[in-house]
Amino acid sequence: DGGITQSPKYLFRKEGQNVTLSCEQNLNHDAMYWYRQDPGQGLRLIYYSQIVNDFQKGDIAEGYSVSREKKESFPLTVTSAQKNPTAFYLCASRRGETQYFGPGTRLLVL
Amino acid sequence: GQQVMQIPQYQHVQEGEDFTTYCNSSTTLSNIQWYKQRPGGHPVFLIQLVKSGEVKKQKRLTFQFGEAKKNSSLHITATQTTDVGTYFCAVHAGNNRKLIWGLGTSLAVNP
Repeated sequence: DGGITQSPKYLFRKEGQNVTLSCEQNLNHDAMYWYRQDPGQGLRLIYYSQIVNDFQKGDIAEGYSVSREKKESFPLTVTSAQKNPTAFYLCASRRGETQYFGPGTRLLVL
Repeated sequence: GQQVMQIPQYQHVQEGEDFTTYCNSSTTLSNIQWYKQRPGGHPVFLIQLVKSGEVKKQKRLTFQFGEAKKNSSLHITATQTTDVGTYFCAVHAGNNRKLIWGLGTSLAVNP
């Protein structure tokens, strides 16, 4: 069963803590994306990767980092430098011009 | 940078009424995509429009791309409670690698 998985579904972060959100796909897609969604603000691009070992900053990359060591995996780290991390984080992969999304991770700050 | 304006932000209808959301751009678009996000869910691709004046239908949903390729609409005929969610338009940035998203129209349907 092909698709995109994200874990965990909910994540709690303490002040000053780095947390990593997982995104895995078995669709054999080259391109992958991380978005942040806040109420009333649509989807904002954090980072994207067109191919393994390569990635580019999106519109709101500050306070985030990524890696793309494997085609299937594109983890996102929310660092302590991100002062307002509470949001819904969506990972997507692309085939052609269509993006396919994972179920998302809700990050909450304690 | 390129932006796409989507209106209205919210729409509340009675079941059976029609619904329309609009996306507008100040620049000519190569194409436009529409996605639906159910409450608590993730965006799901609905359709892509490419040609000037294009009209596509999916059951009760009608998608239209303007003649000047600067605007698009999604019309739902006789809404049902299953139509509840947020509808987003998205357009490609110049290099076609990134999508620029509208803010979405949230649809609520009273049974």
